[in-house]
Amino acid sequence: EAGVTQFPSHSVIEKGQTVTLRCDPISGHDNLYWYRRVMGKEIKFLLHFVKESKQDESGMPNNRFLAERTGGTYSTLKVQPAELEDSGVYFCASSQALMYGYTFGSGTRLTVV
Amino acid sequence: GEDVEQSLFLSVREGDSSVINCTYTDSSSTYLYWYKQEPGAGLQLLTYIFSNMDMKQDQRLTVLLNKKDKHLSLRIADTQTGDSAIYFCAESLSGGYQKVTFGTGTKLQVIP
Repeated sequence: EAGVTQFPSHSVIEKGQTVTLRCDPISGHDNLYWYRRVMGKEIKFLLHFVKESKQDESGMPNNRFLAERTGGTYSTLKVQPAELEDSGVYFCASSQALMYGYTFGSGTRLTVV
Repeated sequence: GEDVEQSLFLSVREGDSSVINCTYTDSSSTYLYWYKQEPGAGLQLLTYIFSNMDMKQDQRLTVLLNKKDKHLSLRIADTQTGDSAIYFCAESLSGGYQKVTFGTGTKLQVIP
């Protein structure tokens, strides 16, 4: 079974540019989550999809962040325009209902300079 | 609100036991987890415990939960160099279909 795949693994962009992160969950997992870890701090929840619907987006920091999940399959997280404080590692995870714990991707390390 | 706290760093000698501690604030937490992150990799679920349990053992791993004090610990017996990683404590109100609140992570360094 393929795991959760994230692309790209690293991205370095300039302040003001746009970046789009992609996540491919495990096939058949309805739940998809985005998390972010800013350097040395805790991993913070961003949002949760159930299929193509946003179940909980309470963790999205501001309207520069836009997440989509087309057809309930892969998801994208767009940051536009990027700011310095957006730097960090963005993790995607997926789960099936009633599973205990998530399966995480390896993360995308975003650096805004 | 939810808050999960951990010490940032732990160093142990190979073969010794490691104990990583965590405190959480949300008394309604139902599931408590330990995740492991190796360099360059994603988070791997190590083990979890339900809030109505006191202890769970899984090979070299022992999880202890003191619900009264909201304290969770992870003990790794016979620690190996391959156990060097960051360990995250986490909690959620329900299972895999709700958000999880993570701690800052404890970096475990195993000295040969």
